Amino acid sequence: AQTVTQSQPEMSVQEAETVTLSCTYDTSESDYYLFWYKQPPSRQMILVIRQEAYKQQNATENRFSVNFQKAAKSFSLKISDSQLGDAAMYFCAYSWSMNRDDKIIFGKGTRLHILP
Amino acid sequence: EAGVAQSPRYKIIEKRQSVAFWCNPISGHATLYWYQQILGQGPKLLIQFQNNGVVDDSQLPKDRFSAERLKGVDSTLKIQPAKLEDSAVYLCASSLVAPTVQNTEAFFGQGTRLTVV
Repeated sequence: AQTVTQSQPEMSVQEAETVTLSCTYDTSESDYYLFWYKQPPSRQMILVIRQEAYKQQNATENRFSVNFQKAAKSFSLKISDSQLGDAAMYFCAYSWSMNRDDKIIFGKGTRLHILP
Repeated sequence: EAGVAQSPRYKIIEKRQSVAFWCNPISGHATLYWYQQILGQGPKLLIQFQNNGVVDDSQLPKDRFSAERLKGVDSTLKIQPAKLEDSAVYLCASSLVAPTVQNTEAFFGQGTRLTVV
């Protein structure tokens, strides 16, 4: 069965510093996608970054980058130059296709605090 | 483009009452998801529609929860009767899934926070 594990319920980082959020997953699929979603207090889930499993190159989006280790089934998110607006819940998500239907499951989330 | 719309934003009901949530996905999105997010946890899939057909409702408590997606566009999720443990945020999401496009991003609404007292 597919599972997503985020082992850090909460993390804190000083403004302008770098922080890494961990995520591991379990799957027997070879083709899948991984996502990091940000959920601010407004509750809207916002896509931060996505990674295709078939791509070896780690995805980057401005200050956000991932360290994708396919063999280890690890997908961590690095936030550089942390800003106060980065404070939110971050969810790691795993998506795969079954009979042309997308399946998405989420980890339990990591609450990120930004210290001024 | 307009996002996923959900209403109401907040709802407080007494246990054993009924409640319904509404979701309008992004135009053209074939797949619609309803998630339940209990405080401190990640979203849990309740039901997934592909157009107006159900493709996954394995985690939907069917004795009290029901959902429909008439005409493959809007969707409603109903709870009848509600229990205290149903207190959660109910998120609706949609994605564009076509035979040649898979594993695309899911777009989320702002959710409905349900409090059962």
